[in-house]
Amino acid sequence: DSGVTQTPKHLITATGQRVTLRCSPRSGDLSVYWYQQSLDQGLQFLIQYYNGEERAKGNILERFSAQQFPDLHSELNLSSLELGDSALYFCASSVGQGGTQYFGPGTRLLVL
Amino acid sequence: QQQVKQSPQSLIVQKGGIPIINCAYENTAFDYFPWYQQFPGKGPALLIAIRPDVSEKKEGRFTISFNKSAKQFSLHIMDSQPGDSATYFCAASKEGAQKLVFGQGTRLTINP
Repeated sequence: DSGVTQTPKHLITATGQRVTLRCSPRSGDLSVYWYQQSLDQGLQFLIQYYNGEERAKGNILERFSAQQFPDLHSELNLSSLELGDSALYFCASSVGQGGTQYFGPGTRLLVL
Repeated sequence: QQQVKQSPQSLIVQKGGIPIINCAYENTAFDYFPWYQQFPGKGPALLIAIRPDVSEKKEGRFTISFNKSAKQFSLHIMDSQPGDSATYFCAASKEGAQKLVFGQGTRLTINP
């Protein structure tokens, strides 16, 4: 157990809908990272927050957004969902702005 | 330049054998190279990591070999066991950087 928690574990929704994925980092970690894992693209970095502020952006679609709250938990919002958004979404955390990243168990999103 | 190329895609080894997974990178600014192990339905878990100032690092049965001039690094698993059957990902990042760039993954099967 990495200490990173993610909810929900599974999510099934329809195209065009909006969902919110939640992540709680390990105790003491200030950075939260979001990754998308799909069969064809592998693990792709989406976005990182450090102590409430956005620090880096990767291949994140404009339909996706994230935020980190004062208690350091983070939410990833996915809107206008398409079939191709079906994937595993992982959250990771680290103490600082870089360094070892510890991954949560993931949220499996299925868009029908 | 941001890619990390991993091979092979899949590997089958008999128990006790030494599976070797290789990765190559282009970006010479990368200076942190972790390996992650992922079991089905779980998030990636950090296995071992190396920085380019050393050519080899061992942790238990896992060894990373690093060739800075060739921009390649590899994972060796000594005395492999069926419980080592998982997907292995190499990754790379820049010191203090926010994102990990992952290889495509290797599905390893250790036959009893």
